[in-house]
Amino acid sequence: QSALTQPRSVSGSPGQSVTISCTGTSSDVGGYNYVSWYQQHPGKAPKLMIYDVSKRPSGVSDRFFGSKSGNTASLTISGLQAEDEADYYCCSYTGGFTFYVFGTGTKVTVL
Amino acid sequence: QVQLVESGGGLVKPGESLRLSCVASGFMFSDYYMSWIRQAPGKGLEWVSYISSSGSTIYYADSVKGRFTISRDNAKNSLYLQVNSLRAEDTAVYYCSRMITFGGFDYWGQGTLVTVSS
Repeated sequence: QSALTQPRSVSGSPGQSVTISCTGTSSDVGGYNYVSWYQQHPGKAPKLMIYDVSKRPSGVSDRFFGSKSGNTASLTISGLQAEDEADYYCCSYTGGFTFYVFGTGTKVTVL
Repeated sequence: QVQLVESGGGLVKPGESLRLSCVASGFMFSDYYMSWIRQAPGKGLEWVSYISSSGSTIYYADSVKGRFTISRDNAKNSLYLQVNSLRAEDTAVYYCSRMITFGGFDYWGQGTLVTVSS
């Protein structure tokens, strides 16, 4: 199972919106509504931002929005803030023995 | 509050073994699926292994199948990963993580570093 494809980097100015794509196949992203997104600051453990494609855990800002169309999932960050600068990873359940596959990761830079 | 604390990492030579541990607190450990996820230095995240709440169902990534063994002791609120026949490419920070059924990993430990080098 290959890693899900994410853009290497995206950037935006404070207050703007950015969208990170996560492209898989019908065996992972397209086949299940079990896509999740993680934010990771340098030297820290990942933090769950979105699960089940579009659900936000308690405490996560509503500026983070998850969606899916076909084999591609997306994370949109609106009203970009300095603290949003981090690496972001998507992840999908695959149902088979591989079980989970992560994306390649995207570095979000706040200009 | 939910806490996951890993331990057991260290510097080992190729072919050697380690036992990683994760102690959970702040929630009913026996009710949750758990996973190990690793991150090589400067690289992305890689799911390693899953265990169901009872321990009856287990899965591994192809890269570790046959060398790693996941287990849990619900009476001790603990998750384990026995890592054998270590290779240089197993060098990584190993995180234990609680799962929201299959929908995601909602809590992560701080990680334990495993370094495999001769």
